[in-house]
Amino acid sequence: GAVVSQHPSWVICKSGTSVKIECRSLDFQATTMFWYRQFPKQSLMLMATSNEGSKATYEQGVEKDKFLINHASLTLSTLTVTSAHPEDSSFYICSASWREGLNEQFFGPGTRLTVL
Amino acid sequence: LAKTTQPISMDSYEGQEVNITCSHNNIATNDYITWYQQFPSQGPRFIIQGYKTKVTNEVASLFIPADRKSSTLSLPRVSLSDTAVYYCLVGDPTGAGGSYIPTFGRGTSLIVHP
Repeated sequence: GAVVSQHPSWVICKSGTSVKIECRSLDFQATTMFWYRQFPKQSLMLMATSNEGSKATYEQGVEKDKFLINHASLTLSTLTVTSAHPEDSSFYICSASWREGLNEQFFGPGTRLTVL
Repeated sequence: LAKTTQPISMDSYEGQEVNITCSHNNIATNDYITWYQQFPSQGPRFIIQGYKTKVTNEVASLFIPADRKSSTLSLPRVSLSDTAVYYCLVGDPTGAGGSYIPTFGRGTSLIVHP
């Protein structure tokens, strides 16, 4: 099956620093990637939709200048949390899909971000 | 976007069949129903997807009535390892109706007891 990886799997950083999270589709070309955030015991909240070669579409309430998304190739999307604060601590999950017939979403394993 | 409603939690015992129902009253003509499973601190995993009637794969069955306003995920003979959160999503995965924006509801937390 299709595999999506994320790196790092967990990261701890100081308040005010920036953190980059990578999402890679390992064995398929992903025309679309999605970024989610999940707080403890809550559902996944869609942050943005990323299409290769174009600007990401952010959901309402998500600051695009704080959460920078780059989808430079069909196999890689990155999420950069800029000037992170403790309230940004969360579980960040990406998913990837291709647009051929019935597309499934394939999810990455997630990245646990802790901001001190 | 079609909104989904699921029970918040369910309990079962090993070896039993578990049925989780999802309501999606305003499902659109092009929408499919997809179920995901999520373990703590992991990304969701695709379980099954269907449009109407019944779909079965090696891990589950999906029952969809004719009016498609609800669907039922059936897990046969659950084990302890099936303890997870199960999400029902409704949308058009072909993209024919425009951009597909997968939206997760609250999900159902299934606990399987020994």
